[in-house]
Parts: sequence; structure tokens; C-alpha cells
Amino acid sequence: GAVVSQHPSRVICKSGTSVKIECRSLDFQATTMFWYRQFPKKSLMLMATSNEGSKATYEQGVEKDKFLINHASLTLSTLTVTSAHPEDSSFYICSASGREEQMKQYFGPGTRLTVL
Amino acid sequence: AQKITQTQPGMFVQEKEAVTLDCTYDTSDQSYGLFWYKQPSSGEMIFLIYQGSYDEQNATEGRYSLNFQKARKSANLVISASQLGDSAMYFCAMSLTMDTGRRALTFGSGTRLQVQP
Repeated sequence: GAVVSQHPSRVICKSGTSVKIECRSLDFQATTMFWYRQFPKKSLMLMATSNEGSKATYEQGVEKDKFLINHASLTLSTLTVTSAHPEDSSFYICSASGREEQMKQYFGPGTRLTVL
Repeated sequence: AQKITQTQPGMFVQEKEAVTLDCTYDTSDQSYGLFWYKQPSSGEMIFLIYQGSYDEQNATEGRYSLNFQKARKSANLVISASQLGDSAMYFCAMSLTMDTGRRALTFGSGTRLQVQP
């Protein structure tokens, strides 16, 4: 199956700093990448969708200026949490889909962000 | 509104027995996909099985099968011969078309399955 990696797997940062999370498709070209957020014991909530070379589409209630998404190539998307605050602490998961199987999404292993 | 409902917050099953995890959905789309993912305590989302709305036969993947009843809008996951390693959170998800034509997944609230020896 298709492999998606995420880096870092865990990050702890101070309040007010920015954190960048990378999502890479390792063995296929990801025309679309998705970013989800998951609170403890809760389901995944879609934050935004990004297509290679175009601006990300954010879900209602997600701050575009806080969660910057860049889908620079067909194998890489980044999520930057700017000026992080403790309430941004969460589990962030990316997923990717390719041209051949647009219905299917392959998930990265997730990044646990803790903001002190 | 498009929605996925999982009514079982937690389930117990004896090792080697079969278990059914319930999932119902609501959508006005004619073309959609239904997925089941497993999330162990490590957090990764593991794809289990997929059913397309136009697929006439129920999907099967090893010990996993999807009981797709389109008229009832249900897509239950059946795990046969449960193993201790099956203990995890299970999410049902539906692929739907957003406003811009892109497809995204909407998830149910999940069912925590515990397999007992």
C-alpha cells in the first residue's frame, strides 16, 4: 500500500513559537493532501485540504493565518502552527490521495503537539 | 447533511469470536465511498476496508468484511476470529464531495474494541 510519513512525530514547544509539521507521500504522487486534528478520545476533524500548487481550502472555523498550509510539490505538504498556544495542543494527522485512487486516503502516523 | 454515526462507544469480544461494529451514514450524494480505519494507541490510522456506493458485492479483506446495506444506509464492519491485537479504536468514514468538488473524509465518533483472552 501507499506510504505517508510525517515529521516530527512529537513536538513540545513554548507558547508563542511556530511549529512546522511535514507530510510526505513516499511512493506515490499526492495530488491532494488533507490535514486533520484529533483531540483526546475524539474523532478526526478535517482542518483543510490542499492541492499541489494551489491554495489550501480551510474548513469553517479553522483560522487560515494560524494554520498555514503549503503543498509545494506532489510529495510534500507542510502545516505550520503559528504563534502556538496551549489550546493548539493536539494530535495532527495528514493524509494523501493520488490521481489513480482519488477515493482513497492514506494516512501519516500523526504528530503530537504539546504547547507549554 | 452528510453524517456518519457510530452508536457503540465501546465493545468487548472474546478472542477467536466474531464481532460487528455498527455504522450508519446519511448523504444525498449518489457516488460516495465508505471506509473503516483502525487506530491503535500509537495513533496511526490503519486502512482496513473500502466499499464504493456502486459496488454490488460486499467488500472483504482477510478477516474484515463490510456488510453494506445501501437501502438502510449502513456499513457495518465484521471482524472474524478476533485477535488480541485487534484491540483498538475503530472509525467508520465516508468520502464525500465538498463544495469545490474535492473529496474529503468525514468520520464517525469511533468504537473502542477490546478483545478479551
